[in-house]
Amino acid sequence: KQEVTQIPAALSVPEGENLVLNCSFTDSAIYNLQWFRQDPGKGLTSLLLIQSSQREQTSGRLNASLDKSSGRSTLYIAASQPGDSATYLCAVEVGGGADGLTFGKGTHLIIQP
Amino acid sequence: EAEVAQSPRYKITEKSQAVAFWCDPISGHATLYWYRQILGQGPELLVQFQDESVVDDSQLPKDRFSAERLKGVDSTLKIQPAELGDSAMYLCASSPRMNTEAFFGQGTRLTVV
Repeated sequence: KQEVTQIPAALSVPEGENLVLNCSFTDSAIYNLQWFRQDPGKGLTSLLLIQSSQREQTSGRLNASLDKSSGRSTLYIAASQPGDSATYLCAVEVGGGADGLTFGKGTHLIIQP
Repeated sequence: EAEVAQSPRYKITEKSQAVAFWCDPISGHATLYWYRQILGQGPELLVQFQDESVVDDSQLPKDRFSAERLKGVDSTLKIQPAELGDSAMYLCASSPRMNTEAFFGQGTRLTVV
């Protein structure tokens, strides 16, 4: 059974810092990996999708990398801002797509003004 | 911008009562998912539809939960009877087809008292 682990569980940094969130998964036979943001009491906002054949994806200040063979992904946030404060969730999908997404528990990020 | 619509946003119900949630996916999205998220955890898949057909409901507690997507568009998730342990956020998501980017709604926060 696929398991997804996110480290750290919580992170608090001053505004302006660059930071890295980590995600690992136990079964490397994934089809894609997706990073989401979740604000308190709200739904999930898709940030980046990386196909298994890709190494990284970028969107604005966000960069996500994927090392499928080692079962790892990182989300890099450049020049962090207070508005980046949220929970960040990593999710993987296996080929065939019949199992939906398997999520980690998330990293709760606080950016201090 | 197209969004996944869910209603209601919040629901309080008494134990043993019936409750229903509605989801309208992004137009043209063939794949629809229902997830349950307990506070502090990542979402877990309950049921996945491809058009009007169920492709995975292995994690759906079928003694009390039911889901349908009769015309392959909007969907309803029902719980009868509700139990205290059902208190959670119920999230609906859709994607153009399996193994593509998933988009989530704002969720329904259920409290069973």
